Amino acid sequence: SQQGEEDPQALSIQEGENATMNCSYKTSINNLQWYRQNSGRGLVHLILIRSNEREKHSGRLRVTLDTSKKSSSLLITASRAADTASYFCATGGGTSYGKLTFGQGTILTVHP
Amino acid sequence: GAVVSQHPSRVICKSGTSVKIECRSLDFQATTMFWYRQFPKQSLMLMATSNEGSKATYEQGVEKDKFLINHASLTLSTLTVTSAHPEDSSFYICSAADRAYGYTFGSGTRLTVV
Repeated sequence: SQQGEEDPQALSIQEGENATMNCSYKTSINNLQWYRQNSGRGLVHLILIRSNEREKHSGRLRVTLDTSKKSSSLLITASRAADTASYFCATGGGTSYGKLTFGQGTILTVHP
Repeated sequence: GAVVSQHPSRVICKSGTSVKIECRSLDFQATTMFWYRQFPKQSLMLMATSNEGSKATYEQGVEKDKFLINHASLTLSTLTVTSAHPEDSSFYICSAADRAYGYTFGSGTRLTVV
């Protein structure tokens, strides 16, 4: 079963707009990661946020984590058509690099 | 950065035959590799965790005799789908874990069984 639930399942926006995706999880975590997957390809790591962090930035990406609500959000600012992809959150792993559990994912489409 | 090479990227096979998928860590040693299955527009579902030199650990509901995993070296893990049937058609992705690079994913294999 999937640890993470993501919403929305699909998001369609225009270039230049911001895209926000949310992820909820059920058990306690050490960290939470966000990945991107282009259609028919593997996953690319975007950002990792630790359980003692509340917000993290990387370029146009902003991730927040609320451990009290067991939720995280990924914000992509000033979106581009090249941002079109599926985005997944993942929990698990830890210091021993064990298995990850992925959320259901959000399919983002950015229209030029 | 770390690179995981997965081959083949696409394969079409006849029902009843076996297919082998390779996953190689190119510039690092991966003591642990993971195999996932993904259906269209769905998330990744972990099939098994593969540790070098030991038997793979399969997730509940995954048939170990159907999905044979071999991790004979620190840079190579293989997944063999035995006696493939159309319902095995899917996208298979491997991932390698390393303390220096975290999790690195292969580019996936699209398996179509006809």
